[in-house]
Amino acid sequence: AQRVTQPEKLLSVFKGAPVELKCNYSYSGSPELFWYVQYSRQRLQLLLRHISRESIKGFTADLNKGETSFHLKKPFAQEEDSAMYYCALIVSNTGKLIFGQGTTLQVKP
Amino acid sequence: ETGVTQTPRHLVMGMTNKKSLKCEQHLGHNAMYWYKQSAKKPLELMFVYNFKEQTENNSVPSRFSPECPNSSHLFLHLHTLQPEDSALYLCASSHTRGTNTEAFFGQGTRLTVV
Repeated sequence: AQRVTQPEKLLSVFKGAPVELKCNYSYSGSPELFWYVQYSRQRLQLLLRHISRESIKGFTADLNKGETSFHLKKPFAQEEDSAMYYCALIVSNTGKLIFGQGTTLQVKP
Repeated sequence: ETGVTQTPRHLVMGMTNKKSLKCEQHLGHNAMYWYKQSAKKPLELMFVYNFKEQTENNSVPSRFSPECPNSSHLFLHLHTLQPEDSALYLCASSHTRGTNTEAFFGQGTRLTVV
């Protein structure tokens, strides 16, 4: 079964602390994974995708096929990073985008 | 502006009413989606349309009826809803092939069923 799991509903850190938002997936085949972010009063938008292998707003995510994980990391959290983060997996050729439960990141001053 | 527009932004309806949600995209995407976002549950995929054909119905009750007249427009017709259907309904669109399959989301319609 295709599934995305984000075990933490809420992650609260202080400004400047490292952040790791966990994501595990279940998918038979080669997965294409994404992190989406929803800031307060804004629409859901793409943060980064694993095939790009880029850093966006200081965030990175590495696909670990052995552990079936795609954790989102940032070495030094900023207050403006406070938002809801969704890990997502796309089923090839169908466009079906499956989301995890979402993790609220709260960065305290 | 991401190119996906949803109307109305807010809707209050009674359980016996019939209403429709509209979504429009001019990004040239071939796929459009309806998602339900409620406070106590994860983002739920409801329907997927690919080149106007419905390719996914995620066990959605028949009181929700989607319509996709063309690749740029998607509707969600609502009738005899229940209070538990109150949620934020999100529309999205994307390409499904190629290297850029990023989904673009609308602002959502906040639905309240009374």
